[in-house]
Amino acid sequence: AQSVTQLDSQVPVFEEAPVELRCNYSSSVSVYLFWYVQYPNQGLQLLLKYLSGSTLVKGINGFEAEFNKSQTSFHLRKPSVHISDTAEYFCAVSDGFTGNQFYFGTGTSLTVIP
Amino acid sequence: NAGVTQTPKFQVLKTGQSMTLQCAQDMNHEYMSWYRQDPGMGLRLIHYSVGAGITDQGEVPNGYNVSRSTTEDFPLRLLSAAPSQTSVYFCASSQQGVETQYFGPGTRLLVL
Repeated sequence: AQSVTQLDSQVPVFEEAPVELRCNYSSSVSVYLFWYVQYPNQGLQLLLKYLSGSTLVKGINGFEAEFNKSQTSFHLRKPSVHISDTAEYFCAVSDGFTGNQFYFGTGTSLTVIP
Repeated sequence: NAGVTQTPKFQVLKTGQSMTLQCAQDMNHEYMSWYRQDPGMGLRLIHYSVGAGITDQGEVPNGYNVSRSTTEDFPLRLLSAAPSQTSVYFCASSQQGVETQYFGPGTRLLVL
């Protein structure tokens, strides 16, 4: 089974500052990688995904992530955060063969401080 | 489109009771899944389905049953509820597993 580690459970950051949310996964075999965002009392919404191709993936709301196979990482970045980015962020991985089994990290709570 | 809908929004059960959490989608998606979300645990996959009549187990299937008789519906059954099943349950769907998953609003379940 896969495992996903989100190294920071809480990340406070000032408005307009850059942010990086870290994600590492366990498997060295082919995987698909995802970042989801969850706003309070809502379901999850996809930010971006890596299936193949370019290792730098751009998503919605100005977020991007870089797939690093040698370090088994998929860190999420945004150059300038807004108050509206305050939310819970989840990294997820699925196997690269069927793509049907998903494993989520424990989440990172991003708080943007005015 | 309503997207993914879940009912009920909240439910309180007593230990040993049974219930069914409903999930429906109107996007003609083949892949549907159930997750539970617990504090500090993230989301864990319970069961998933790649099409009508096909289901498979996820990471934490014990205590839960599913069936997929139509493309639209994917109910989750708790046959004998236990306090350990207190959680928030999310249903999701996508055209295929690796495509964008659309999540429902969740069902909060409390088992006493």
